[in-house]
Amino acid sequence: DVKVTQSSRYLVKRTGEKVFLECVQDMDHENMFWYRQDPGLGLRLIYFSYDVKMKEKGDIPEGYSVSREKKERFSLILESASTNQTSMYLCASSLSGGASEQFFGPGTRLTVL
Amino acid sequence: GDSVTQMEGPVTLSEEAFLTINCTYTATGYPSLFWYVQYPGEGLQLLLKATKADDKGSNKGFEATYRKETTSFHLEKGSVQVSDSAVYFCALANFGNEKLTFGTGTRLTIIP
Repeated sequence: DVKVTQSSRYLVKRTGEKVFLECVQDMDHENMFWYRQDPGLGLRLIYFSYDVKMKEKGDIPEGYSVSREKKERFSLILESASTNQTSMYLCASSLSGGASEQFFGPGTRLTVL
Repeated sequence: GDSVTQMEGPVTLSEEAFLTINCTYTATGYPSLFWYVQYPGEGLQLLLKATKADDKGSNKGFEATYRKETTSFHLEKGSVQVSDSAVYFCALANFGNEKLTFGTGTRLTIIP
């Protein structure tokens, strides 16, 4: 059974803290993605990685950074968390080759107080 | 740029009713089109897809037809069940593009 796992389902942090969200996939996929999901806004792409150590900004990268040191792992980093980063964060992966199905993790609901 | 517009929810239907969730898109080129579903407490999963004009995607009783002339990909099901309650997302990926563009999602609730 193919899987994308995320390190936490729920996370509560304080303003100014550094936050790490981890995502691991076991499908040997080249592509990995981080989205945030907010009511009425759908899914918005934060960052995308198409290979180890390679990354590309998505639609809303401000306030975030990413790290991909190994093919199976993609980390999202909030350098200094702010209340407007309270959201649901979804990780996904896919094969390269264009228009491939993306497989999603269960999400991390982050609350920044 | 590419965009997806889907009908706003929430949508509430009785069990066994007919379902349509509208989706239209704007894209250059020839995109592939997708419907994803998100059940409560879970991530998204692919429901169906179509890769070229007039293709029909189908799964679990749901269908959607890629209509290039109307730039639409409406989701339909003939008889919904309580277990279909979820949020449905329409999405597109343009040719050669690894990234998906999502609509805002439509929350569907089916009452017994």
